[in-house]
Amino acid sequence: AQTVTQSQPEMSVQEAETVTLSCTYDTSESDYYLFWYKQPPSRQMILVIRQEAYKQQNATENRFSVNFQKAAKSFSLKISDSQLGDAAMYFCAYRSGLRGNQFYFGTGTSLTVIP
Amino acid sequence: DTAVSQTPKYLVTQMGNDKSIKCEQNLGHDTMYWYKQDSKKFLKIMFSYNNKELIINETVPNRFSPKSPDKAHLNLHINSLELGDSAVYFCASSRSETGGQYFGPGTRLTVT
Repeated sequence: AQTVTQSQPEMSVQEAETVTLSCTYDTSESDYYLFWYKQPPSRQMILVIRQEAYKQQNATENRFSVNFQKAAKSFSLKISDSQLGDAAMYFCAYRSGLRGNQFYFGTGTSLTVIP
Repeated sequence: DTAVSQTPKYLVTQMGNDKSIKCEQNLGHDTMYWYKQDSKKFLKIMFSYNNKELIINETVPNRFSPKSPDKAHLNLHINSLELGDSAVYFCASSRSETGGQYFGPGTRLTVT
């Protein structure tokens, strides 16, 4: 089974600075999708960014970007110009391209933004 | 125009009771899911339905039963509630082949 590992249970960043959250995954598949989700204290799960494994270009959504290293099976999330509203739990997730209805989530990274 | 909605958002009940959580999505997605998030924030998939067919059924107790009256709804029924069932339950939906999951606001279940 695929596994998703987030090795940083907690991270902190100064407001307006940049932070990178790590995620690695294990798979034998070549077709898959990767995601980052944000869960603020309101507990709502919010899709932040999505990456298709067949695309070499890293996905970007405003201040959020990823560094996708397919050979290394690494999928880190970079948050630029951090804002207080970015404080949340961040989950990395993997979706199989073959069995598209199977999702695997990491254990999450709690991000604190320091004013 | 909420995409994925769940009711209720909070549910407090006693051990041994039976309860249901409702979920509806208006995104036209083909697949819906139920997740359990424990006190350590770990997300565990419980069920998913694709076109009214159960396609994932993780090793959850058979006290939990998903019911999908149509493609837009996936309800979760729980029999004989136990203390360990206390958690946040999330409903989610996705397109079959691609795309991320869209989550409901969650239901915090507390069993006393």
